Parts: sequence; C-alpha cells; structure tokens
Amino acid sequence: TQLLEQSPQFLSIQEGENLTVYCNSSSVFSSLQWYRQEPGEGPVLLVTVVTGGEVKKLKRLTFQFGDARKDSSLHITAAQPGDTGLYLCAGSTLSTNAGKSTFGDGTTLTVKP
Amino acid sequence: NAGVTQTPKFQVLKTGQSMTLQCAQDMNHEYMSWYRQDPGMGLRLIHYSVGAGITDQGEVPNGYNVSRSTTEDFPLRLLSAAPSQTSVYFCASSYYVGGEAFFGQGTRLTVV
Repeated sequence: TQLLEQSPQFLSIQEGENLTVYCNSSSVFSSLQWYRQEPGEGPVLLVTVVTGGEVKKLKRLTFQFGDARKDSSLHITAAQPGDTGLYLCAGSTLSTNAGKSTFGDGTTLTVKP
Repeated sequence: NAGVTQTPKFQVLKTGQSMTLQCAQDMNHEYMSWYRQDPGMGLRLIHYSVGAGITDQGEVPNGYNVSRSTTEDFPLRLLSAAPSQTSVYFCASSYYVGGEAFFGQGTRLTVV
C-alpha cells in the first residue's frame, strides 16, 4: 500500500498570512492531485501534477511536484477566510495498486478574518 | 450538470439493519468508487468498478457489497450495519483509474 503523509494535520492562521502544506511519500507517483473539501461537501479537484519538478499556479495557490515525484507542496499566498477547508492530496501509480489513487489524511486549514 | 448524485444525505440505522446507498453519475465515466471518511483517517477505498459488470475490493471492503449493472449507477449495500460503520460515505467517478475524481456530496451514516 502506498502511503501519503500530509503535514501539518491542522493549521490555523490569520487572514493575509502565507502558508505551505506538504504531501510526502516513499513511493513514486505517476500523477498527484490536490483537492479541497468544505464542510458537508465532497472533495473538489484543485490541480493535477504529472511531471517531476512541475509547478502550477492557481491564483494565490502554488503547487509543486517534487523532482523525484515522491512529494508535493501547496503554498497559499495571502490566505483568505474562503481558503478554509480540508486539503487532500492523492497519488496514483500505474505500475502498482492498479493505478488507483491513494489519499492522504489531509490538512485542515482555518483562516481567521 | 448533475455530476455525481448520492442519496440519502443522512441516515440513521440500528445495528443489524441493512440498507443501500445510491450513487449515480451522468458523465459517462467508466471508473466509479466508494470511500468512507472518518476523522483523522482521510478517504479509504471500500469498493471500486472499472466498468459495468466489473467490481473489485478496496482497502476496507468487509461488511459492504457493490454491483455495477449500468455505467451510471453504483450502489453500496450494507449487509448488517455495525456501529463501526458510522462514517461519511462518498461516491466518486472519473474517466479512468487514477484520474480526476468527481465526488458526490456524501452520505452521513450513523449506526446506533
């Protein structure tokens, strides 16, 4: 079983601060996805990264895939209360686990106004 | 677009009762899956299907059955509910295994 460890588990910050959350594994992934989940809702995809070293930006969110494709980070600039939610990473590998995605346990982010 | 629709949204069962959680998608996705989400444990895969007539077990299949008679529908059956099955259940679909997953809104199940 591929394990994805996310850190920190909980993060509470003030509006306007920057933050980074991490997703680490000992496995190499073909692709890695980041999702955001709001209370009472299902996760919604933010981004998919597939190339080692890839950086993708989505407004104030910056996603990076590690060179070895074993880890990823999500950086939020000038966080806003609307960024509050559970951030999940999910990785898949075509060669193992039949390509199914494995989810991390998530980082719960609270942005206070 | 409806996307992935799950029903019911909330359910309370007594220990030993059985029930079916419904899931339907209108995106013509071949891959569908069921997860349970518990505090601090992320999403754990219960069962999945790569197409109509094909299902397989995930990480935590015990106590659950699935079937996939059509591309659109993927119901999850609890055979004899136990308190350990209290959880939030999510159905998801994607174009292919490991691809972008579209999730339903979830079913919050309590077994007493």
